[in-house]
Amino acid sequence: AQTVTQSQPEMSVQEAETVTLSCTYDTSENNYYLFWYKQPPSRQMILVIRQEAYKQQNATENRFSVNFQKAAKSFSLKISDSQLGDTAMYFCAFVDRGSTLGRLYFGRGTQLTVWP
Amino acid sequence: GAVVSQHPSWVICKSGTSVKIECRSLDFQATTMFWYRQFPKQSLMLMATSNEGSKATYEQGVEKDKFLINHASLTLSTLTVTSAHPEDSSFYICSARDQERAYNEQFFGPGTRLTVL
Repeated sequence: AQTVTQSQPEMSVQEAETVTLSCTYDTSENNYYLFWYKQPPSRQMILVIRQEAYKQQNATENRFSVNFQKAAKSFSLKISDSQLGDTAMYFCAFVDRGSTLGRLYFGRGTQLTVWP
Repeated sequence: GAVVSQHPSWVICKSGTSVKIECRSLDFQATTMFWYRQFPKQSLMLMATSNEGSKATYEQGVEKDKFLINHASLTLSTLTVTSAHPEDSSFYICSARDQERAYNEQFFGPGTRLTVL
Protein backbone atom coordinates (compact mmCIF):
# COMPACT_ATOMS: atom_id res chain seq x y z
CA ALA A 1 0.00 0.00 0.00
CA GLN A 2 1.11 3.53 -0.71
CA THR A 3 1.12 6.15 2.02
CA VAL A 4 2.02 9.82 1.92
CA THR A 5 2.91 11.74 5.07
CA GLN A 6 3.00 15.48 5.53
CA SER A 7 4.14 16.18 9.07
CA GLN A 8 3.53 19.93 9.09
CA PRO A 9 -0.19 20.74 9.42
CA GLU A 10 0.49 24.49 9.28
CA MET A 11 3.32 26.76 8.30
CA SER A 12 3.74 30.48 7.87
CA VAL A 13 6.29 32.61 6.10
CA GLN A 14 6.83 36.28 5.49
CA GLU A 15 6.43 37.64 2.00
CA ALA A 16 9.60 37.35 -0.11
CA GLU A 17 11.09 34.73 2.17
CA THR A 18 11.69 31.05 1.41
CA VAL A 19 9.76 28.16 2.91
CA THR A 20 10.09 24.39 2.61
CA LEU A 21 7.22 21.96 2.98
CA SER A 22 8.02 18.36 3.87
CA CYS A 23 6.63 15.15 2.42
CA THR A 24 7.62 11.54 2.84
CA TYR A 25 6.05 8.52 1.24
CA ASP A 26 6.15 4.78 1.49
CA THR A 27 5.90 2.41 -1.45
CA SER A 28 7.35 -0.82 -2.71
CA GLU A 29 7.12 0.43 -6.29
CA ASN A 30 10.20 1.63 -8.12
CA ASN A 31 8.62 3.68 -10.86
CA TYR A 32 6.18 6.37 -9.92
CA TYR A 33 5.31 10.04 -10.08
CA LEU A 34 5.15 12.58 -7.30
CA PHE A 35 3.18 15.79 -7.29
CA TRP A 36 2.59 18.88 -5.25
CA TYR A 37 -0.88 20.36 -5.56
CA LYS A 38 -2.03 23.71 -4.26
CA GLN A 39 -5.58 24.35 -3.05
CA PRO A 40 -6.24 28.06 -2.47
CA PRO A 41 -9.35 29.36 -0.69
CA SER A 42 -11.31 28.88 -3.93
CA ARG A 43 -10.69 25.15 -3.36
CA GLN A 44 -9.67 24.55 -6.97
CA MET A 45 -6.85 21.99 -7.03
CA ILE A 46 -3.88 23.32 -8.97
CA LEU A 47 -0.83 21.32 -9.97
CA VAL A 48 2.31 23.07 -8.75
CA ILE A 49 5.06 20.69 -9.77
CA ARG A 50 5.68 17.05 -10.68
CA GLN A 51 8.63 14.69 -10.42
CA GLU A 52 9.35 11.41 -12.15
CA ALA A 53 10.96 8.88 -9.84
CA TYR A 54 13.43 7.67 -12.43
CA LYS A 55 14.80 11.16 -12.95
CA GLN A 56 17.46 12.16 -10.47
CA GLN A 57 17.30 15.83 -11.39
CA ASN A 58 15.02 17.80 -9.13
CA ALA A 59 12.07 19.46 -10.86
CA THR A 60 11.80 23.24 -10.92
CA GLU A 61 8.95 25.51 -11.93
CA ASN A 62 9.81 29.18 -11.54
CA ARG A 63 9.79 29.88 -7.77
CA PHE A 64 8.91 26.30 -6.91
CA SER A 65 11.44 23.52 -6.67
CA VAL A 66 11.61 20.11 -5.10
CA ASN A 67 14.24 18.15 -3.23
CA PHE A 68 13.64 14.56 -4.26
CA GLN A 69 15.54 11.95 -2.26
CA LYS A 70 14.45 8.58 -3.62
CA ALA A 71 16.37 6.43 -1.18
CA ALA A 72 14.94 8.34 1.76
CA LYS A 73 11.50 8.49 0.09
CA SER A 74 11.39 12.19 0.65
CA PHE A 75 9.88 14.85 -1.61
CA SER A 76 9.98 18.37 -0.17
CA LEU A 77 8.74 21.54 -1.84
CA LYS A 78 10.67 24.78 -1.65
CA ILE A 79 8.91 28.05 -2.40
CA SER A 80 11.24 30.95 -3.00
CA ASP A 81 10.30 34.63 -2.86
CA SER A 82 6.95 33.77 -1.27
CA GLN A 83 3.98 35.80 -2.40
CA LEU A 84 0.64 36.50 -0.74
CA GLY A 85 -1.02 34.44 -3.47
CA ASP A 86 0.90 31.39 -2.33
CA THR A 87 -1.36 31.19 0.71
CA ALA A 88 -3.10 27.84 0.27
CA MET A 89 -3.32 24.26 1.39
CA TYR A 90 -0.55 22.21 -0.20
CA PHE A 91 -0.93 18.50 -0.84
CA CYS A 92 1.79 16.04 -1.70
CA ALA A 93 0.61 13.15 -3.88
CA PHE A 94 1.90 9.89 -5.30
CA VAL A 95 0.84 7.71 -8.23
CA ASP A 96 2.28 4.41 -9.33
CA ARG A 97 3.40 4.74 -12.95
CA GLY A 98 2.22 1.21 -13.67
CA SER A 99 -1.21 1.74 -12.20
CA THR A 100 -4.00 0.95 -14.65
CA LEU A 101 -6.37 3.45 -13.12
CA GLY A 102 -3.84 6.00 -11.97
CA ARG A 103 -5.14 6.46 -8.45
CA LEU A 104 -3.55 9.34 -6.55
CA TYR A 105 -2.54 8.98 -2.91
CA PHE A 106 -2.61 12.24 -1.00
CA GLY A 107 -0.98 13.45 2.18
CA ARG A 108 -3.02 15.26 4.83
CA GLY A 109 -1.88 18.62 3.57
CA THR A 110 0.01 21.62 4.91
CA GLN A 111 -1.75 24.95 5.31
CA LEU A 112 0.69 27.66 4.27
CA THR A 113 0.05 31.26 5.19
CA VAL A 114 2.14 34.03 3.64
CA TRP A 115 1.94 37.27 5.59
CA PRO A 116 3.01 40.75 4.54
CA GLY B 1 -6.31 22.58 -22.36
CA ALA B 2 -7.32 19.85 -19.89
CA VAL B 3 -10.27 21.60 -18.29
CA VAL B 4 -12.75 19.82 -16.05
CA SER B 5 -16.07 21.38 -15.10
CA GLN B 6 -18.49 20.50 -12.35
CA HIS B 7 -22.12 21.42 -12.06
CA PRO B 8 -23.58 22.72 -9.88
CA SER B 9 -20.91 24.59 -7.95
CA TRP B 10 -23.13 24.59 -4.90
CA VAL B 11 -26.46 23.07 -3.97
CA ILE B 12 -28.76 23.18 -0.97
CA CYS B 13 -31.37 20.47 -0.60
CA LYS B 14 -33.79 19.10 1.92
CA SER B 15 -33.11 15.91 3.80
CA GLY B 16 -34.42 12.89 1.93
CA THR B 17 -34.05 14.30 -1.55
CA SER B 18 -31.52 13.22 -4.20
CA VAL B 19 -28.89 15.42 -5.74
CA LYS B 20 -26.98 14.87 -8.98
CA ILE B 21 -23.53 16.35 -9.59
CA GLU B 22 -22.05 16.38 -13.08
CA CYS B 23 -18.37 16.21 -13.97
CA ARG B 24 -17.28 16.94 -17.53
CA SER B 25 -13.94 16.89 -19.28
CA LEU B 26 -14.26 19.77 -21.72
CA ASP B 27 -11.35 19.29 -24.09
CA PHE B 28 -10.20 15.73 -23.69
CA GLN B 29 -11.59 12.25 -23.35
CA ALA B 30 -11.44 10.64 -19.95
CA THR B 31 -11.94 6.91 -19.63
CA THR B 32 -11.30 7.25 -15.91
CA MET B 33 -12.75 9.79 -13.53
CA PHE B 34 -12.45 10.00 -9.78
CA TRP B 35 -14.82 11.29 -7.12
CA TYR B 36 -13.51 12.73 -3.88
CA ARG B 37 -15.06 14.09 -0.75
CA GLN B 38 -13.35 16.76 1.29
CA PHE B 39 -14.15 18.04 4.75
CA PRO B 40 -12.91 21.47 5.88
CA LYS B 41 -9.17 21.64 6.37
CA GLN B 42 -8.75 18.00 5.49
CA SER B 43 -7.34 16.08 2.59
CA LEU B 44 -9.23 14.64 -0.36
CA MET B 45 -10.81 11.30 0.37
CA LEU B 46 -11.30 9.08 -2.64
CA MET B 47 -14.86 7.81 -2.79
CA ALA B 48 -14.87 5.92 -6.08
CA THR B 49 -13.21 5.44 -9.41
CA SER B 50 -15.43 5.73 -12.42
CA ASN B 51 -14.69 3.99 -15.71
CA GLU B 52 -16.54 4.73 -18.91
CA GLY B 53 -18.94 1.95 -19.78
CA SER B 54 -18.45 -0.09 -16.64
CA LYS B 55 -19.43 -0.08 -13.00
CA ALA B 56 -17.63 2.23 -10.63
CA THR B 57 -15.19 0.91 -8.08
CA TYR B 58 -16.01 2.16 -4.59
CA GLU B 59 -13.57 2.61 -1.74
CA GLN B 60 -14.10 0.69 1.45
CA GLY B 61 -16.74 2.27 3.63
CA VAL B 62 -18.47 4.17 0.82
CA GLU B 63 -22.08 3.14 0.33
CA LYS B 64 -22.55 2.44 -3.36
CA ASP B 65 -26.34 2.54 -3.06
CA LYS B 66 -26.16 6.00 -1.57
CA PHE B 67 -23.56 7.46 -3.89
CA LEU B 68 -24.53 6.37 -7.39
CA ILE B 69 -21.92 6.93 -10.06
CA ASN B 70 -22.56 6.77 -13.79
CA HIS B 71 -19.84 7.26 -16.40
CA ALA B 72 -21.93 7.07 -19.54
CA SER B 73 -19.57 8.78 -21.96
CA LEU B 74 -15.91 9.65 -22.34
CA THR B 75 -16.56 13.21 -21.17
CA LEU B 76 -19.23 12.88 -18.49
CA SER B 77 -19.50 11.24 -15.10
CA THR B 78 -22.27 11.88 -12.62
CA LEU B 79 -22.51 11.39 -8.87
CA THR B 80 -25.99 11.11 -7.40
CA VAL B 81 -26.38 11.39 -3.65
CA THR B 82 -29.58 9.52 -2.94
CA SER B 83 -31.80 10.28 0.05
CA ALA B 84 -29.37 12.89 1.25
CA HIS B 85 -29.00 13.58 4.96
CA PRO B 86 -27.19 16.37 6.82
CA GLU B 87 -24.15 14.16 7.34
CA ASP B 88 -23.72 14.03 3.54
CA SER B 89 -23.04 17.76 3.55
CA SER B 90 -19.54 18.19 2.22
CA PHE B 91 -17.39 19.42 -0.65
CA TYR B 92 -17.31 16.99 -3.56
CA ILE B 93 -14.53 17.12 -6.13
CA CYS B 94 -14.16 15.17 -9.34
CA SER B 95 -11.05 14.65 -11.41
CA ALA B 96 -10.47 13.21 -14.84
CA ARG B 97 -7.46 11.38 -16.14
CA ASP B 98 -6.20 12.28 -19.59
CA GLN B 99 -4.63 9.05 -20.78
CA GLU B 100 -3.03 10.79 -23.74
CA ARG B 101 -0.72 12.53 -21.33
CA ALA B 102 2.18 11.18 -19.34
CA TYR B 103 2.40 11.19 -15.56
CA ASN B 104 -1.03 9.59 -15.04
CA GLU B 105 -2.03 13.18 -14.53
CA GLN B 106 -5.45 14.02 -13.15
CA PHE B 107 -7.24 17.29 -13.78
CA PHE B 108 -9.59 18.52 -11.14
CA GLY B 109 -13.00 20.14 -11.31
CA PRO B 110 -13.73 23.21 -9.19
CA GLY B 111 -15.81 21.22 -6.72
CA THR B 112 -19.43 21.19 -5.56
CA ARG B 113 -20.50 22.28 -2.12
CA LEU B 114 -23.47 20.25 -0.94
CA THR B 115 -25.53 21.39 2.03
CA VAL B 116 -28.33 19.15 3.23
CA LEU B 117 -30.86 20.81 5.54
